Amino acid sequence: DGGITQSPKYLFRKEGQNVTLSCEQNLNHDAMYWYRQDPGQGLRLIYYSQIVNDFQKGDIAEGYSVSREKKESFPLTVTSAQKNPTAFYLCASSIEVAGRSSTDTQYFGPGTRLTVL
Amino acid sequence: AQSVAQPEDQVNVAEGNPLTVKCTYSVSGNPYLFWYVQYPNRGLQFLLKYITGDNLVKGSYGFEAEFNKSQTSFHLKKPSALVSDSALYFCAVRPYSSASKIIFGSGTRLSIRP
Repeated sequence: DGGITQSPKYLFRKEGQNVTLSCEQNLNHDAMYWYRQDPGQGLRLIYYSQIVNDFQKGDIAEGYSVSREKKESFPLTVTSAQKNPTAFYLCASSIEVAGRSSTDTQYFGPGTRLTVL
Repeated sequence: AQSVAQPEDQVNVAEGNPLTVKCTYSVSGNPYLFWYVQYPNRGLQFLLKYITGDNLVKGSYGFEAEFNKSQTSFHLKKPSALVSDSALYFCAVRPYSSASKIIFGSGTRLSIRP
């Protein structure tokens, strides 16, 4: 899992609550990503950030929010607007030059399993 | 639409036999191709990637993959399977035109029996 940490490993949320998932990297990577993994569906991109103070929506951004105030950190908030949040959430990072296509590999954290009670 | 397909949900192989996990893609231009492995309740681990050059790419843990442009495939292979290879494998493609986004396949569960 390299130099990417995610916390907590397991998270339980009640209906109507917002929760924040932490992602930190010490790889000095510019780009960071959040994915959602559901059984049989592979990974789907929620948000990504190529540089500090900038981020873009991925394919399934509704009901989620992010911030990128520091290069090392890219927290994901799952809001009450996300109707089906139970899933495994993966954070990743890569060396990336903003705005340019890159061959750089994405490296993943260990994941957070979120369950709605 | 750009996509990646892993046609087999599960592949079963006896230990010591060769294994193949299939991947085909549909993207415009020259793609960058990746294989990742995921063990239970863990993040994805990078195995190998194809950018350009030799069509046969060697990666971690004895795995290799062959890029076939005419068949738009990037199958993962290993000459002799180990029980410890049992895991979930993802193929991914990064379209040349995409600055950041990678498209993942739905995954293939590889099961190696002793």
